[in-house]
Amino acid sequence: QKEVEQDPGPLSVPEGAIVSLNCTYSNSAFQYFMWYRQYSRKGPELLMYTYSSGNKEDGRFTAQVDKSSKYISLFIRDSQPSDSATYLCAMAAMYSGGGADGLTFGKGTHLIIQP
Amino acid sequence: EPEVTQTPSHQVTQMGQEVILRCVPISNHLYFYWYRQILGQKVEFLVSFYNNEISEKSEIFDDQFSVERPDGSNFTLKIRSTKLEDSAMYFCASSYRKNQLNYGYTFGSGTRLTVV
Repeated sequence: QKEVEQDPGPLSVPEGAIVSLNCTYSNSAFQYFMWYRQYSRKGPELLMYTYSSGNKEDGRFTAQVDKSSKYISLFIRDSQPSDSATYLCAMAAMYSGGGADGLTFGKGTHLIIQP
Repeated sequence: EPEVTQTPSHQVTQMGQEVILRCVPISNHLYFYWYRQILGQKVEFLVSFYNNEISEKSEIFDDQFSVERPDGSNFTLKIRSTKLEDSAMYFCASSYRKNQLNYGYTFGSGTRLTVV
């Protein structure tokens, strides 16, 4: 069973639309949830970070975590052509040693915002 | 804004050859990481490094791989005898604190390794 599942897309939406991206996971030890944005030929860039369950908003971006369903989402309001990129979800656990393992990524969703 | 710098951006090597990928982390960062992304696949954790030793490593990071901080600025990943399946984008990352996930975990732009 794959640890983190993410639809690779591509997902194409018109400018101004609300975009919904999501990931499911199987490891109940994950407590840290992140969304990264990756432009072509670049490294991942952190967009949103959430600890445990709940919502977090930052400008046009909202991250949601539902640990009971093992489901996380990223919403982008008023989408812009510059939002076109690959969006990666990433997760980490905290073990008793006090550190977190390396990040576990989803495959990434390729998002295209049409002008 | 401080950056993690990786060189070269693209490296082609023959199967069986040794390759060294180089990274210059952000100057005041203390924790260093390597990840890889095979084309069309997920970004995968390889190894983390702190205080001149490996902190954690994944199953991927076998005896063919090694990491080193040869001086005060560089952080390297060595693959001893490359295989075709080592072809991937390799990302270096660094952070000031261990797994500073909320804001301080910065990736470089990657080195594309092609093994022929």
